[in-house]
Amino acid sequence: DIQMTQSPSSVTASVGDRVTISCRASQTLSSWLAWYQQLPGKAPKLLIYAASSLQSGVPSRFSGSGSGTDFTLTISSLQPEDFATYYCQQAHSFPFTFGPGTKVEIK
Amino acid sequence: QVQLVESGGGVVQPGGSLRLSCAASGFSFSSYGMHWVRQSPGKGLEWVAFMRHDGINKDYADSVKGRFTISSDNSKNTVYLQMNSLRDDDTAVYYCAKNWARAGAPGFSDYWGQGTLVTVSS
Repeated sequence: DIQMTQSPSSVTASVGDRVTISCRASQTLSSWLAWYQQLPGKAPKLLIYAASSLQSGVPSRFSGSGSGTDFTLTISSLQPEDFATYYCQQAHSFPFTFGPGTKVEIK
Repeated sequence: QVQLVESGGGVVQPGGSLRLSCAASGFSFSSYGMHWVRQSPGKGLEWVAFMRHDGINKDYADSVKGRFTISSDNSKNTVYLQMNSLRDDDTAVYYCAKNWARAGAPGFSDYWGQGTLVTVSS
């Protein structure tokens, strides 16, 4: 199975800050990677698919990059509604696996 | 608009069974694969199962293989998760999610339901 790691596990930031979250896979994924946002008590929401494609309706301050085994989610200017937990997920091969999550908290 | 509504969760004893349902609307259900993903209380996300749009090809997480079965009824636009031999560590919120690509490769989940809670406890 492909193992996914994320760093950091949590980040404390202020509104307007640039935030970067990293995701690493134990095997190459090509571009079969997605990023999801989960607000407390809510279902996950797809932000980025195929490593760098912005899902329809997602603000352009979210961007994804990377390929192979190393990927990054960037929030260019953090907004109050962005305080949430972010997960990466590989969709290269079954079983699909998620990273452990990164919690973005308010400073 | 795409809508997914899960039901069927509840409290069940270890070793028991439960069937979850996910009613879909707002898209051509028979043209898309469907996923089940779960989240134990206070924990991260775990992918559970996927069924391709053809209803034939299915994949499962190792943790549920042989105990859980994904299926669908295109006449009802509904996907199911039959869960047998339930264990304490199956306690979680279970989400159904729509696959991103029409009749395409399994991959990302672009729409999710609100989830249904399954509690396995004696």
